[in-house]
Amino acid sequence: GQNIDQPTEMTATEGAIVQINCTYQTSGFNGLFWYQQHAGEAPTFLSYNVLDGLEEKGRFSSFLSRSKGYSYLLLKELQMKDSASYLCAVRDPLSAGNMLTFGGGTRLMVKP
Amino acid sequence: DAGITQSPRHKVTETGTPVTLRCHQTENHRYMYWYRQDPGHGLRLIHYSYGVKDTDKGEVSDGYSVSRSKTEDFLLTLESATSSQTSVYFCAISEGGLYNEQFFGPGTRLTVL
Repeated sequence: GQNIDQPTEMTATEGAIVQINCTYQTSGFNGLFWYQQHAGEAPTFLSYNVLDGLEEKGRFSSFLSRSKGYSYLLLKELQMKDSASYLCAVRDPLSAGNMLTFGGGTRLMVKP
Repeated sequence: DAGITQSPRHKVTETGTPVTLRCHQTENHRYMYWYRQDPGHGLRLIHYSYGVKDTDKGEVSDGYSVSRSKTEDFLLTLESATSSQTSVYFCAISEGGLYNEQFFGPGTRLTVL
């Protein structure tokens, strides 16, 4: 089975740094994705990790530890537009269809 | 941005009526997916397709069927809509690429009264 956990909500201040955690217990693993979803909109791809370590992309970084079944998304220099839900998803290596299993998402509110 | 459209974007229907949602892509991607998104449940996979006429069930397939007669179109049908199927439905596509990530359509908000 697949089990992916994220905190439901987080609040942070504009200009600060926030870390959104994701833990997973899955029957297989072939990469972990982070998506951003603004209210009323479609999810958009943020980052991908398949090997242990940190991937940096501008203000956003994503970390993976496969042995611990753990990932985090780090957002630096927070801006009001970063208020959104952040979805963690794990790819199933055994599916014929490149399937993803999503966590419930973390709603981030950035305050002035 | 990947070329994905969904129609209709909003629909209100009554319990017991059939409903078909359409996903259309212009990217010629092999894989297509239908998800539903509900508060507290995140995105859940309903059905997916890995080629023309090749489909399979996802996590929450009961009450739904799909068809893919050509690469660009993936249809989701609710044979007899129920109130529990009130949700936002997203279509997604993927094919190769650096990460083989999925790209999502704009969504369809379905209300079953």
